[in-house]
Amino acid sequence: AQKITQTQPGMFVQEKEAVTLDCTYDTSDQSYGLFWYKQPSSGEMIFLIYQGSYDEQNATEGRYSLNFQKARKSANLVISASQLGDSAMYFCAMREYNNAGNMLTFGGGTRLMVKP
Amino acid sequence: DTGVSQDPRHKITKRGQNVTFRCDPISEHNRLYWYRQTLGQGPEFLTYFQNEAQLEKSRLLSDRFSAERPKGSFSTLEIQRTEQGDSAMYLCASTSAGQGNQPQHFGDGTRLSIL
Repeated sequence: AQKITQTQPGMFVQEKEAVTLDCTYDTSDQSYGLFWYKQPSSGEMIFLIYQGSYDEQNATEGRYSLNFQKARKSANLVISASQLGDSAMYFCAMREYNNAGNMLTFGGGTRLMVKP
Repeated sequence: DTGVSQDPRHKITKRGQNVTFRCDPISEHNRLYWYRQTLGQGPEFLTYFQNEAQLEKSRLLSDRFSAERPKGSFSTLEIQRTEQGDSAMYLCASTSAGQGNQPQHFGDGTRLSIL
């Protein structure tokens, strides 16, 4: 079974509008972390935002916020006021703390395209 | 503040050749990870080190893949007898152990193309 599912292969958004990128996850652990990364066409993976499973408030980092719904096992990324530079691949990832290495499991990604 | 550095950025080689990639993590990070990313997919975990110890290597794709981190600083990933299916982006990441909310910081990757 997929541990991280991103159901939107591609998304368009108008510049200056908000957009939500979906992520659902599957784990039986109580303690885990969820991360979002941005990957521009140049290839580097850029960390955006983190949400811990015990965090009661949704994480926010500048224009990025995470809509965390634990019962639904979803961790959607919200980007407000989209900019042309936001055009990139976006990956949701999970770290399960019961595995000693804390490696990340990634979803298949969503390609976001911002229209001027 | 230097980030994770990977070398080379691109590698083109013929099928059957051996290749080696290098990763220099952020200096104070004791954990180092290798991932592989094929076109249109998310990265998949291969192996990781804590200091010089390789603590997980069961996800290496075959016995043609090996990794080292001899002094607990830089790491190398070697692929022997390369095959067409090895064409991918190889990403290295580092972090500090002990704080689960710390993100893994990635390098720019090495893109491998097998002719």
